[in-house]
Amino acid sequence: KQEVTQIPAALSVPEGENLVLNCSFTDSAIYNLQWFRQDPGKGLTSLLLIQSSQREQTSGRLNASLDKSSGRSTLYIAASQPGDSATYLCAVNADNDMRFGAGTRLTVKP
Amino acid sequence: EAGVAQSPRYKIIEKRQSVAFWCNPISGHATLYWYQQILGQGPKLLIQFQNNGVVDDSQLPKDRFSAERLKGVDSTLKIQPAKLEDSAVYLCASSFGGGLWETQYFGPGTRLLVL
Repeated sequence: KQEVTQIPAALSVPEGENLVLNCSFTDSAIYNLQWFRQDPGKGLTSLLLIQSSQREQTSGRLNASLDKSSGRSTLYIAASQPGDSATYLCAVNADNDMRFGAGTRLTVKP
Repeated sequence: EAGVAQSPRYKIIEKRQSVAFWCNPISGHATLYWYQQILGQGPKLLIQFQNNGVVDDSQLPKDRFSAERLKGVDSTLKIQPAKLEDSAVYLCASSFGGGLWETQYFGPGTRLLVL
């Protein structure tokens, strides 16, 4: 059974700092991995989707990497802003079964 | 483009009562998902519909949960009777085709508190 873990559970950084969020999974036989953002009281917004054959994806200040063999993905956020404050979740897709991590709650202080 | 709509946004009930949630996906999206997100955890898939057929309901507690999507558009999720451990946010999502490569669009969720 696929287990997805995200570390740290919470992170607080000053504005402007670059930061890395981590996601690990136990079964490397995945189809793709997604990073989502969840704001309080709202649903999830897809940020980046990495196919299993890809190593990374970039969107603006966000860069996600995938290392299937080691069961790891990272989400890099450059020049963080207060508006980036949210919970970030990774989700692993395998055999049409998407498993989520518990998320990292990010606070960016002005 | 209108997003995924859910109602109600909040619901408080007592244990053993019944409750129903409604979801209207993005127009034209064939696939609809219901997730349960317990506080401090990631969402867990309960059921997936492709049009009006069930694709996956392996994690749906069928003794108390039921869901339907009769006309292949909007959907209802019901809990009867509710237990304390059902307190969670129930998220609905939709995607155009349902393939693993497709983006799922999420609604704002219904926050359920069972007392």
